[in-house]
Parts: sequence; structure tokens; C-alpha cells
Amino acid sequence: GQQVMQIPQYQHVQEGEDFTTYCNSSTTLSNIQWYKQRPGGHPVFLIQLVKSGEVKKQKRLTFQFGEAKKNSSLHITATQTTDVGTYFCAGRRVGGSQGNLIFGKGTKLSVKP
Amino acid sequence: KAGVTQTPRYLIKTRGQQVTLSCSPISGHRSVSWYQQTPGQGLQFLFEYFSETQRNKGNFPGRFSGRQFSNSRSEMNVSTLELGDSALYLCASSKGPPPYNEQFFGPGTRLTVL
Repeated sequence: GQQVMQIPQYQHVQEGEDFTTYCNSSTTLSNIQWYKQRPGGHPVFLIQLVKSGEVKKQKRLTFQFGEAKKNSSLHITATQTTDVGTYFCAGRRVGGSQGNLIFGKGTKLSVKP
Repeated sequence: KAGVTQTPRYLIKTRGQQVTLSCSPISGHRSVSWYQQTPGQGLQFLFEYFSETQRNKGNFPGRFSGRQFSNSRSEMNVSTLELGDSALYLCASSKGPPPYNEQFFGPGTRLTVL
């Protein structure tokens, strides 16, 4: 079945360093969403990408959707301690009944001050 | 605007029992999805409802069931509980049908099966 793989599983950075998490799907996606879950919290929607090659920015966060709509990345510039949490990508496959939203296993980011 | 609410927040059950979890979506949202979150498996999709109809179902046994009411509130039921059902159960609502809507998650129900 459809899988969404996310790497790395963990990332430890020094405050001020950059961070990137990557998401790869075995099938073409109709769209991809990114969520952040703080420790003890619930996932919070960050952004949705729909178009092939789309790039969106939110302050220090840059999101990309691959040309083939099978991969995506989230890049954080100059991390801060408030960026701590687990970042999930989630995609839906193309066609049929649209299918369910498949989540990657997430990248847990820790930031050392 | 109130967020997604889930009740109860915590639940302890024993093997073989059944449980019903409730979710109230954000006012005006008609789509509700349920997920199971565990440290090992991550977030796994259970079901998705829109206007009282189940639109999608994940790969879970028939012991897991759900429904949505006319006011968009949703419930999920797990029968004959197993130890492996211990997890955080998250409900998420969105305005319309998939696939183009962001989901707003509730705080979850932490289920422990003893």
C-alpha cells in the first residue's frame, strides 16, 4: 500500500543551526500537508502544498513539493528553542476516492540552547 | 471559535472491554477523521466521515468502528479491547470533504488497556 517515508527520525541541533526534514512517497500525491506536534500536544497544521514544484515560506520555514509530487521537504533556518517538536508530513494519493491521509512517522527535533 | 473537543481525555480499561470515544468538531466543520497515535507506529488513519457518511477507512480490524451524527459530532468504538489498543486517539475536523482541507486536531483521548 501507499507509504510515506520521513527522514531523519531524530535531529539534534544547536540553536541557530538549520534543520531539514524530508518526506518521500511511493506513489504520486494529490497534495501534502505538514504538521507540528509539540511534546505532550496534538498535531497543528502548518501548511498544505498542492502544485508540482511549489515552494512556500512561513518566516524561517520553507516548504517544498517535488516536481513529481512524490517528495517534499521542510527547512527551518536558524532554529530556535521554540521549534522543538515533531514535524510530520501527510499526503493523499491521487485519484480514486482520494484515499486517506497518510502520515510519515515524523522527525523529532531537539534544539540545544 | 472553540476548537475540537474530545471526551474523555483519559481512559483506563481492561482487556475484553469496549470503549466509546467522542469528538465534537469545530463549529461549521463537516468532516471528521480519527487517528491512532503510538510511539512505534506513529499516526495511523482510522476513518474519515463527511456528512454522516464514512468516506475512507484505514487498515484496522473490524473491532474499530465509528459514526458521525447529523450535527457532525463523531464517535468511535473499540470492542474487545486488546493491550495493543493502548494509544492516543486523535480526532481531527476540517471544513469540507477531502482532499484539500487542513485538519484541526483535538487534544486526544489517552486510552490505556490493562
